Amino acid sequence: EAGVAQSPRYKIIEKRQSVAFWCNPISGHATLYWYQQILGQGPKLLIQFQNNGVVDDSQLPKDRFSAERLKGVDSTLKIQPAKLEDSAVYLCASSLGTAVSSYNEQFFGPGTRLTVL
Amino acid sequence: AQSVAQPEDQVNVAEGNPLTVKCTYSVSGNPYLFWYVQYPNRGLQFLLKYITGDNLVKGSYGFEAEFNKSQTSFHLKKPSALVSDSALYFCAVRRGGYSTLTFGKGTMLLVSP
Repeated sequence: EAGVAQSPRYKIIEKRQSVAFWCNPISGHATLYWYQQILGQGPKLLIQFQNNGVVDDSQLPKDRFSAERLKGVDSTLKIQPAKLEDSAVYLCASSLGTAVSSYNEQFFGPGTRLTVL
Repeated sequence: AQSVAQPEDQVNVAEGNPLTVKCTYSVSGNPYLFWYVQYPNRGLQFLLKYITGDNLVKGSYGFEAEFNKSQTSFHLKKPSALVSDSALYFCAVRRGGYSTLTFGKGTMLLVSP
């Protein structure tokens, strides 16, 4: 079974530039998550999709971050404009079931390491 | 609000010795508890989870965890550590129904030969 795919693996940009990350979840997984993992911390949820609808984006900095999941499969996360504090690893994860199936484990991709200079 | 505490930044253990990585949680209602492991430059991998039932949960790679409701703890254990177990371990919690998965800050496990 193929895992969660993410690209690019690494990205270096200057502050105020824009950047986009792509995620392809495990086939059949209805729920997709984007996390931000800052060095020395655990992952923090940015946004959660159920199929192509947003379930939770309460921790997404909406003035600069946006995400979409067209057709309920692939997803993109965009930052525009980037700030120094956005330097982190951005993890995509997917899981079976619905948003309220809290017992399903999440499967994570390898992440995209973003450095903002 | 829910939270997870992993009180140790790093745990050192010799190969062949038992290991314990500690986790305590705070959540309203019944908790769903998870352990994940992260190897360098890789995403998190699921190890095990507690949903309900037996307090001792067995997972991948010989790991197990014990749920203790009175102490609100979910410590990760392994009877005999391997050098290859060296990695970053995360405990996470969410409650039943819909809620976000909240992670601890992680504990680095170093197993020496």
